[in-house]
Amino acid sequence: QVQLVESGGGVVQPGTSLRLSCAPSTFVFRTYAMHWVRQAPGKGLEWVAGISYDGSDKYNSDSVKGRFTISRDNSKNTLYLQMDSLRPEDTAVYYCAKVRVRGVMFFDSWGQGALVTVSS
Amino acid sequence: EIVMTQSPDTLSVSPGERATLSCRASQSVSSNLAWYQQKPGQAPRLLIYAASTRATGIPARFSGSGSGTEFTLTISSLQSEDFAVYYCQQYKDWPPLTFGGGLTFGGGTKVDIK
Repeated sequence: QVQLVESGGGVVQPGTSLRLSCAPSTFVFRTYAMHWVRQAPGKGLEWVAGISYDGSDKYNSDSVKGRFTISRDNSKNTLYLQMDSLRPEDTAVYYCAKVRVRGVMFFDSWGQGALVTVSS
Repeated sequence: EIVMTQSPDTLSVSPGERATLSCRASQSVSSNLAWYQQKPGQAPRLLIYAASTRATGIPARFSGSGSGTEFTLTISSLQSEDFAVYYCQQYKDWPPLTFGGGLTFGGGTKVDIK
């Protein structure tokens, strides 16, 4: 049973920064691309960012481009999402998600989610 | 950007009945489509990928069909644990090389008890 555990969520003011972490277990982290997907309260799912298995390729959605940075440290088995210049519309539960097969971007394992609230 | 549209927004079904959920893509995604189930307070769970392949451990009452722009998720006989929200996701548009590109989800269909 693959487990993904997010941490780092919280309540922050607009314009500030926050970093989320995702620490997976029971699979070989360094061989899989990883992504962040968010869900605003009462809303649907929105893809945020993705990173290749070795960290060489990174992509963001247009809604967070220039503000959020995805990264990974395979030596620490950890995925990160650095969120800068946060806005109230970034308020959401943020899930880290693992792809099932290299190169095919659907997700067979998800974390429990980290709640980020941006409010003054 | 590939827009995914799900219908209906809400589907009221009695236990034991069949449920049919639709997902439409604004342009062809071939068979690069996945379905997820989400229950309140939980993370999404992968049900179907490649439009019609059940994920590991998913009961046979769940089936997916379609290709191109029209897709269907069918639950043949609803069980109590199937009442949830269902999302489709296209993964054809990867990597996102154009403005608005990338992975996109439908807005979801809530299946509730009639």
